[in-house]
Amino acid sequence: EAGVAQSPRYKIIEKRQSVAFWCNPISGHATLYWYQQILGQGPKLLIQFQNNGVVDDSQLPKDRFSAERLKGVDSTLKIQPAKLEDSAVYLCASRTSTDTQYFGPGTRLTVL
Amino acid sequence: DQQVKQNSPSLSVQEGRISILNCDYTNSMFDYFLWYKKYPAEGPTFLISISSIKDKNEDGRFTVFLNKSAKHLSLHIVPSQPGDSAVYFCAALGRYSGAGSYQLTFGKGTKLSVIP
Repeated sequence: EAGVAQSPRYKIIEKRQSVAFWCNPISGHATLYWYQQILGQGPKLLIQFQNNGVVDDSQLPKDRFSAERLKGVDSTLKIQPAKLEDSAVYLCASRTSTDTQYFGPGTRLTVL
Repeated sequence: DQQVKQNSPSLSVQEGRISILNCDYTNSMFDYFLWYKKYPAEGPTFLISISSIKDKNEDGRFTVFLNKSAKHLSLHIVPSQPGDSAVYFCAALGRYSGAGSYQLTFGKGTKLSVIP
């Protein structure tokens, strides 16, 4: 079974630029999550989707972050404009009806 | 307010000995706990979990113990192997005040080094 796929793996941008990350969850996983992991911290939930609907985006900085999952499969997370403090690893995870979330390799974003 | 705490940033253990990683939580609404292992440049990998109705779960060399009254859980690895060297994250699942959904909250992680 293929795991959660993410791209790109690394991205370097300047502040105020825009960036987008892509995630393809494990086939059949209805629930998809985006997490932000700052160096030295555990992952922090940004947004949760159930199929193509948003379940929880209470911790998403909506003035600059947006995410979508149009067909209930792939998802994109966008930051516009980026700030220095957005430098982090962005992790995508998915799960079925069980409680275990499976994570992708992450995208390491560096904002200069 | 850190609801899941891993107070040891790092731990070194000799190969073949037992590794014990600890985790404390503050919110009694958490009802499911997971341990994830993370290698550099990779995402967290699920290792083992335990429901709040149990006090022990074992999977091969890995055992997780839960003490609900103390709000404490621990991961035991025995015997430890060099390939176990990684960062271990404790995570708790639950719905709590301020959260919009039933969600996973992570600790900051403990870096385990197993010395050959």
